[in-house]
Amino acid sequence: DTAVSQTPKYLVTQMGNDKSIKCEQNLGHDTMYWYKQDSKKFLKIMFSYNNKELIINETVPNRFSPKSPDKAHLNLHINSLELGDSAVYFCASSPIGQYGYTFGSGTRLTVV
Amino acid sequence: GEDVEQSLFLSVREGDSSVINCTYTDSSSTYLYWYKQEPGAGLQLLTYIFSNMDMKQDQRLTVLLNKKDKHLSLRIADTQTGDSAIYFCAETYYNQGGKLIFGQGTELSVKP
Repeated sequence: DTAVSQTPKYLVTQMGNDKSIKCEQNLGHDTMYWYKQDSKKFLKIMFSYNNKELIINETVPNRFSPKSPDKAHLNLHINSLELGDSAVYFCASSPIGQYGYTFGSGTRLTVV
Repeated sequence: GEDVEQSLFLSVREGDSSVINCTYTDSSSTYLYWYKQEPGAGLQLLTYIFSNMDMKQDQRLTVLLNKKDKHLSLRIADTQTGDSAIYFCAETYYNQGGKLIFGQGTELSVKP
């Protein structure tokens, strides 16, 4: 059983399109996150939700919109994709407290 | 402020010890972590240390924390070719919604 699963694993799309990445966790964690890893492997947080409520929203273009229908799911919708959005996007979850982060295996987004 | 620094590359011979270093700037961090990322894979939590500890040992891994110098290190004993990966240092603070601040990652290359 995969603890944090993301779909799709790979996503290739044209500039200007709108796409979504889905994330689900079966760990019963209250907090879920989206991180972006750029081409230099640098990882930076984008969003965090605690029990469906947005608690962290870093400086991210408003073309990126997270949606959490319930505490086990956190989806990321991206409008009007740009070349610079090409990256690996990681979903993660954690229980209340600070340790015990579990990451998904990532979604490699390529915008052409 | 939030800043975590690591050297980018480390090369060792199989069987030697590897030491990966990390410095951080924010003394209010509560947990510090080491993550491993193999090519094309997600992030695997290797170990973590609470900020009131100096050392933690877990099989071949030893974490040393020097709070005065804000320096964290990861020692891998008897390094194997399977240890070749990127290693990320990360910190988190309870009052920041649990977000992880990552270093740039150190690429460890183990030569036979």
